[in-house]
Amino acid sequence: DTEVTQTPKHLVMGMTNKKSLKCEQHMGHRAMYWYKQKAKKPPELMFVYSYEKLSINESVPSRFSPECPNSSLLNLHLHALQPEDSALYLCASSQDWGERANVLTFGAGSRLTVL
Amino acid sequence: GNSVTQMEGPVTLSEEAFLTINCTYTATGYPSLFWYVQYPGEGLQLLLKATKADDKGSNKGFEATYRKETTSFHLEKGSVQVSDSAVYFCAPLGNEKLTFGTGTRLTIIP
Repeated sequence: DTEVTQTPKHLVMGMTNKKSLKCEQHMGHRAMYWYKQKAKKPPELMFVYSYEKLSINESVPSRFSPECPNSSLLNLHLHALQPEDSALYLCASSQDWGERANVLTFGAGSRLTVL
Repeated sequence: GNSVTQMEGPVTLSEEAFLTINCTYTATGYPSLFWYVQYPGEGLQLLLKATKADDKGSNKGFEATYRKETTSFHLEKGSVQVSDSAVYFCAPLGNEKLTFGTGTRLTIIP
């Protein structure tokens, strides 16, 4: 298995809703990432988990809450989002992280629309 | 921190034309360098990489050479195909982070 699987592919939510994005990989990778990509922009790093511990939080607002239940799963819990949070959310994984990260494998993304 | 300057797009070429997408970077030390590609409606895929000076990464007819003296990693392909239409991102890995360039949208017309 050489894939990163993200669900759902599309999500529409209101500003008062609570929802979650899910990401799964079975490559034995020990680092997992959340990126946010606005239209016609490059991906921006949000969070990095290494060995199931949060290693990097790029000053992301608390309405985004990451969770890494085990080495194969990464969630992003969403609460009280704003319309400007509408974007493509990409999950990625790598064998290790930091300078040893080498290649990141990306999922297809979850397209979020906040009404 | 790292920064990367990538050729502005969009770029439109005819099939079988020669492609160059310029990329220069600023980073401390000697970062690994990557080109990622994003096809419409998809996530990013690794296209090629180089981990040290003078290394040449290659894949699917694309090539890029790590030029330490000019801090560049330009992407080239000798003969593009319609299926190469996508957005291409240059990305150095330095200071424990992968930093993406702004992306270059490439459209190949038959």
